[in-house]
Amino acid sequence: EDQVTQSPEALRLQEGESSSLNCSYTVSGLRGLFWYRQDPGKGPEFLFTLYSAGEEKEKERLKATLTKKESFLHITAPKPEDSATYLCAVQGDGAGSYQLTFGKGTKLSVIP
Amino acid sequence: DAGVTQSPTHLIKTRGQHVTLRCSPISGHKSVSWYQQVLGQGPQFIFQYYEKEERGRGNFPDRFSARQFPNYSSELNVNALLLGDSALYLCASSGGGETQYFGPGTRLLVL
Repeated sequence: EDQVTQSPEALRLQEGESSSLNCSYTVSGLRGLFWYRQDPGKGPEFLFTLYSAGEEKEKERLKATLTKKESFLHITAPKPEDSATYLCAVQGDGAGSYQLTFGKGTKLSVIP
Repeated sequence: DAGVTQSPTHLIKTRGQHVTLRCSPISGHKSVSWYQQVLGQGPQFIFQYYEKEERGRGNFPDRFSARQFPNYSSELNVNALLLGDSALYLCASSGGGETQYFGPGTRLLVL
């Protein structure tokens, strides 16, 4: 069974204070690891897909990296508008391989 | 370009009633997935449909059912509603790759 654990559960940062969010996963064979951003009461917004260890992707102040056991979402010089819950999900290649398995998310608050 | 659309946005039902939620995928996407998200948790997989066929089902009771239409839109049906069915119901579409794109969700409250 695929599993995803995200840490920390919540993170408060001052504007401009860089940090990283962690996503640890177990999966039989990784088809993809996904990062989403979710604002309260809204659907998840797609950020990144990573496929293999060593892969990195960037978008504005966000950078996602992947190893064989975990992924990190690095936030550089965050702004208040980056405040949201960040969700990590995996898609394995075992039975039920088309579903996404999500972690509980990290709630990020960026204080001006 | 229009993203994934869902209707209604909000819904209030009482225990024992039936509900139908609707989803239209991104144009050109043939796969639709449904997820349930309760407060404070990540989304949990319910169903995936591809080309009108069920391709996967999560650990949900038979009260939950779904179907996909020839235009690739989809319905999620829940019978005999329980208080615990109160959640945000999310629809996601994909176009052949692994990435799933989510709609805004339907907020269901069961009283």
